[in-house]
Amino acid sequence: KQEVTQIPAALSVPEGENLVLNCSFTDSAIYNLQWFRQDPGKGLTSLLLIQSSQREQTSGRLNASLDKSSGRSTLYIAASQPGDSATYLCAVPAGNQFYFGTGTSLTVIP
Amino acid sequence: KAGVTQTPRYLIKTRGQQVTLSCSPISGHRSVSWYQQTPGQGLQFLFEYFSETQRNKGNFPGRFSGRQFSNSRSEMNVSTLELGDSALYLCASSLSLGVNYGYTFGSGTRLTVV
Repeated sequence: KQEVTQIPAALSVPEGENLVLNCSFTDSAIYNLQWFRQDPGKGLTSLLLIQSSQREQTSGRLNASLDKSSGRSTLYIAASQPGDSATYLCAVPAGNQFYFGTGTSLTVIP
Repeated sequence: KAGVTQTPRYLIKTRGQQVTLSCSPISGHRSVSWYQQTPGQGLQFLFEYFSETQRNKGNFPGRFSGRQFSNSRSEMNVSTLELGDSALYLCASSLSLGVNYGYTFGSGTRLTVV
């Protein structure tokens, strides 16, 4: 069974700072990895989907990398803003389902 | 284009009752998956439907069931509700079966069992 770990569990940074969120997984034989954002009480918003053949994906201030061999992915957020405050989840496939980490709760302080 | 639509957004039910949740996927998406999210267990896979057939099932009791219609819309049913079924239920649609295409999630249905 795929085990997904996200570190740190919570992070608080001042506005404008660059930050990195980490995701590690135990089974490296994956097709892709997806990063999501979840606002309190809401559904999940897809941020980036990285296919196994890719090493990076970028969208605006977000950059996600994937290193299958080491079982790791990072989500880099540049120039953080208060609106980035949310929980960030990574999802890793195994079998025919996604396994989710428990998320990193990010607070960006104005 | 319209996203994944889940109805209702909120539900309050009494223990022992049953409930039906609905999910309309993105137009053209043929796979619908359901997840349960609780503070203690996080996101857990319930089942996946494709072409009106359940293709994959998570580790949930038989009280949890679902179906998919010819237009890809899906419903999830929970019978004999228990307090522990209180959760955010999320559905996700995908272009095809399996995990190759990634997911697009709906906003969820918040179920409270009292």
